[in-house]
Parts: sequence; structure tokens; C-alpha cells
Amino acid sequence: ETGVTQSPTHLIKTRGQQVTLRCSSQSGHNTVSWYQQALGQGPQFIFQYYREEENGRGNFPPRFSGLQFPNYSSELNVNALELDDSALYLCASSLAREGTDTQYFGPGTRLTVL
Amino acid sequence: AQRVTQPEKLLSVFKGAPVELKCNYSYSGSPELFWYVQYSRQRLQLLLRHISRESIKGFTADLNKGETSFHLKKPFAQEEDSAMYYCALRSGSARQLTFGSGTQLTVLP
Repeated sequence: ETGVTQSPTHLIKTRGQQVTLRCSSQSGHNTVSWYQQALGQGPQFIFQYYREEENGRGNFPPRFSGLQFPNYSSELNVNALELDDSALYLCASSLAREGTDTQYFGPGTRLTVL
Repeated sequence: AQRVTQPEKLLSVFKGAPVELKCNYSYSGSPELFWYVQYSRQRLQLLLRHISRESIKGFTADLNKGETSFHLKKPFAQEEDSAMYYCALRSGSARQLTFGSGTQLTVLP
């Protein structure tokens, strides 16, 4: 059984650019959630994908968008990057089944916006 | 809206001493609460959940609905317990997690 993986590990972009972050779910999981973790803060929920559809969204603007593919891997896209987007982006996968849907986290992608 | 508060950013205790990491929440529904832990250079991982009423690595946490708290406790801290601890509440249609800002626990020799 493989765990959640994310790529790239680190990324540096400039303000106004666009970025795509990738996540591979743990084997057998069908749900992916994305979180943003700013320095010194806990993770903050961005959105979740279940069976390729957005299943819930936190308080993030539309320039944060995502995709989930048939193999349940996922992408997070951020357009028009701002300095405040600098953060650790975490992906978590789970199996949507009542009472057992523990979220397993990936190692994260560190995004720096200059 | 739901909120999770961890009042201590840093907590230091000596090995063998009891430790308590505080967590308070605000939520209008029936809460599902968790403790996650992140050891140095490792990923965030689930430590325990209130619904299981389990003890993991000697840690326990009791949900107190009257005080809206879910404090994490261990009677005898070990050096390997040094880590960042996050309290989290699950809610919403996506069953998403709302995290506190975390407490960095350091167990001194």
C-alpha cells in the first residue's frame, strides 16, 4: 500500500503567475482534500473532490481550482498568484465511507511567491 | 462557523512529567474531534479521535461538551513525544477538518 504523494516538493513563482500542484491518493482512496498551511498556522481547508466532482469548498477565491482524475489523483491550480499564497499546500486522501474516512496527509508542497 | 482554539503555541515539560495540551472548540452541531501530530520531518498523521475513546502512545483525550474542550493528556511524557500537535474538528458536507493553530510540545530530558 503506497501513501499519499505530492509533487513538486518545493516551488518558487512570481506574483501574477499560475501554478499547478499534484497529488496521488493512497491506494484504494476515492476522496482528495486540499489544505493551505501558512507559516505558524494550522492547515486551512481549500476544497475536496469526490469521484471527480468538487464536494465542498472553504473560504478561498475562485482562482483556486482543482481537478480529480479517474485514478483519483488530483491537481490544485492557483491563478494570478499573490504574495499571501506563499504556504505549504497539503493534500489528504480518504475513503468516503461512513465512520472510517480518516484523512491521510501527503508531505506537502512548499510554494513561495516572490 | 466552527472554530478550534489551541491557546498554547509552545509547551515544555520534563521527561516523566504529566502533559496536557489544551483544545477548545465552537460548533453548533455535534462535534467530531481529532488530534493530529507532526513529528520532525514527518507528515501530519492522526493520533486519536474522540469517537474511538482509545489511548494511543499513552495519550488520551476526553470530549467535554459542557466546556467545549478536547484536551490531550499523557501521564508520563517521553522525549519521543516532542512534536507539533493539532486539534481538529470535522464538519460540513465534505466532512472537512478545521484545525487549531497547533502546540509545539518539547519534552526535556
